[in-house]
Amino acid sequence: DGGITQSPKYLFRKEGQNVTLSCEQNLNHDAMYWYRQDPGQGLRLIYYSQIVNDFQKGDIAEGYSVSREKKESFPLTVTSAQKNPTAFYLCASSSQANTEAFFGQGTRLTVV
Amino acid sequence: AQSVTQLDSQVPVFEEAPVELRCNYSSSVSVYLFWYVQYPNQGLQLLLKYLSGSTLVKGINGFEAEFNKSQTSFHLRKPSVHISDTAEYFCAVRTSGANNLFFGTGTRLTVIP
Repeated sequence: DGGITQSPKYLFRKEGQNVTLSCEQNLNHDAMYWYRQDPGQGLRLIYYSQIVNDFQKGDIAEGYSVSREKKESFPLTVTSAQKNPTAFYLCASSSQANTEAFFGQGTRLTVV
Repeated sequence: AQSVTQLDSQVPVFEEAPVELRCNYSSSVSVYLFWYVQYPNQGLQLLLKYLSGSTLVKGINGFEAEFNKSQTSFHLRKPSVHISDTAEYFCAVRTSGANNLFFGTGTRLTVIP
């Protein structure tokens, strides 16, 4: 089945540690995105990538980093510089800019 | 700049009653409009989309939405809701050629038996 796989589904980390969230897609989509979801705030864009080896900051990129070494993969690292990392993180992809985005099942990160 | 407003954060409705979830957007250029549904602890699933053409768009699960350019609205409707429609619904907008989808803050639909 084609789709977007995020792993793990739940992740716990201690404050001050970096953590990497995985996102893989087999839809052959060029564009990939990372969103952060907090209660009552909708989805906010962290980073996006239109092609391999290229990515741009979204609205809330501070404290996050990404890489796009392969078309299928777009991992997100939440660094210790992110002040409030506890949230639900959603990865998405699309075939081109003017179409809908397809979403993974999300990773819930809890920092204690 | 684009923005999306979902006027109701929570909408309770009795089973088999009709429902309308409201969405307004602000943009000075052509837009593409989407409605997504999210069940607890899951990702978002596309319900329907408006790219061009007919302003009345039909989606999955019996939902439909109407694009109204003069009122900059894209309200979601269903004539008769089911318990399984209980979820959070997000309206989103993308401007032509843009890379980002802008989301509203969501409307939690609760269907009461």
